[in-house]
Amino acid sequence: EIVLTQSPGTLSLSPGERATLSCRASQSVSSSYLTWYQQKPDQAPRLLIYGASSRAIGIPDRFSGSGSGTDFTLTISRLEPEDFAVYYCQQYGSSQYTFGQGTKLEI
Amino acid sequence: QVQLVQSGAEVKKPGASVKVSCKASGYTFTSYFMHWVRQAPGQGLEWMGRINPSDAHIHHAQKFQGRVTMTRDTSTSTVYMEVSSLTSEDTAVYYCARELEGTCYFDFWGQGTLVTVSS
Repeated sequence: EIVLTQSPGTLSLSPGERATLSCRASQSVSSSYLTWYQQKPDQAPRLLIYGASSRAIGIPDRFSGSGSGTDFTLTISRLEPEDFAVYYCQQYGSSQYTFGQGTKLEI
Repeated sequence: QVQLVQSGAEVKKPGASVKVSCKASGYTFTSYFMHWVRQAPGQGLEWMGRINPSDAHIHHAQKFQGRVTMTRDTSTSTVYMEVSSLTSEDTAVYYCARELEGTCYFDFWGQGTLVTVSS
C-alpha cells in the first residue's frame, strides 16, 4: 500500500499570505491519480485538484497543484479567510486508494 | 443538480451490524462508481471500498474485506454499505462519494452518516 505523508501537520498563516502544503508518497504515484481535497469543520470533503494540477470546477485560480513521482505540492497563492481548513491528498495505485493524514491550515 | 443523500445517524452496540444508505440523483447512476470513506472523530479519511452500480462489482480496501458488504438498487439509484461485528473503533462519520469510472478521484460526496458504537 502506498503511504502518503503530508507536511506540515499544522500551518499557521494570515490572510493574504502564500501557503505551501506538501504530500510525499512512499513510492512513485502517477500524476494522473494524485488528488487534493479541502474539508471544513462538519462538512464533507470537497474536490480541489485532480491529476496533480487540474483545478476542479468552481475552484479559484489561487489554488494550484504541482509535482510528480513521490513529491506533490498544493499552493494557495493569497489566502482568503474561507481557505482555512484541513487539506488532504489522495492517490490511487495498486488497486487501492489512500489518503494522507491531512494538513490543518489555521489563522 | 447532483445529490448524494445519506441515511441518518445510528447508534449500535458492539458486535452488531449497521447498514448505511446513499441515494443518488441528478446524474446517470450507473456511470459512476460509488465509494465509501470513513472518518473517525478528529481523524483523517480512510477509504473502505467501492461498488460499480452498473454490474455490482465490488472492490474492498484490504482492511475491510470480509466485514464490509456493499450493494446497490438500480431502481432507486441507491447504494448500501453494511459493516458487521462493530467495535468502538468503527465509530466514525461514513461518507459515500462518487467517481467517474477511471478518474480515480471523488468529485462529489454525500453529507455523511455518523455511526456511534457504544455499549
